Amino acid sequence: NAGVTQTPKFQVLKTGQSMTLQCAQDMNHEYMSWYRQDPGMGLRLIHYSVGAGITDQGEVPNGYNVSRSTTEDFPLRLLSAAPSQTSVYFCASSRTVGSGELFFGEGSRLTVL
Amino acid sequence: AQRVTQPEKLLSVFKGAPVELKCNYSYSGSPELFWYVQYSRQRLQLLLRHISRESIKGFTADLNKGETSFHLKKPFAQEEDSAMYYCALSQGGSEKLVFGKGTKLTVNP
Repeated sequence: NAGVTQTPKFQVLKTGQSMTLQCAQDMNHEYMSWYRQDPGMGLRLIHYSVGAGITDQGEVPNGYNVSRSTTEDFPLRLLSAAPSQTSVYFCASSRTVGSGELFFGEGSRLTVL
Repeated sequence: AQRVTQPEKLLSVFKGAPVELKCNYSYSGSPELFWYVQYSRQRLQLLLRHISRESIKGFTADLNKGETSFHLKKPFAQEEDSAMYYCALSQGGSEKLVFGKGTKLTVNP
C-alpha cells in the first residue's frame, strides 16, 4: 500500500493562477481531509469529506474548493491563488469515523508569488 | 470554541533526562485527545490517544479533565525522540481534529 499520496510535492504559482493539489489513498478510507500548516500556526483544517459525494468546510475554507467523486481521491482546488495561500498542505485520511487516527501524506509545499 | 494550546514552541533536554510536553485544551464537550509526532523527513503520524491509555515508545499521556490538560511525558528521553509534537483534540468524536501549534523537542547527546 502506498498510503496517502499527494502531488505535486512542490509548486510555485503566480497570484491569480489556479491549480489543483491531488490526493489519493489506497486504504479504502471513508474519511479524507486537507490541512494547511503555517509557521507558528500548527495545522488548520480546510475541507473534509466523510465519504464519496460528501464534503464540508473546515476552519479555513475560503479560497479553496474540493470534491469527492470517488473514495480514493480528494483533490483540493485553488481557484485564484493569493500570497496568503503560501503554505504546506497535508492530505489525511482515516479508516473509521471516531478513531482519531489520521494517516497523512508527505505534504505539498506551495508558494504563491 | 475548541482550542488546543501548546505553550512551548521549543523544548530542549539532554539524553536520559525526563521530558514533559505540555498541552492544554478548551472544549465544552467530552474531549478525545491525541498526540501526533513528525520526525525529520517523515510523515506526521499518530503517537498515542488518551482513550487507549497506552505507552508508545516510552511516552505516556494522562487526560486531566480538572486541569484540562493532556501532557506528554517520558521518564528518560532518547536522541531519536527529537521531533515535532502536536497535541490534537477531536471535536465530538469525529475525525475533525483541532491541532495545537506544536512543540519542537530536541534531545541533546
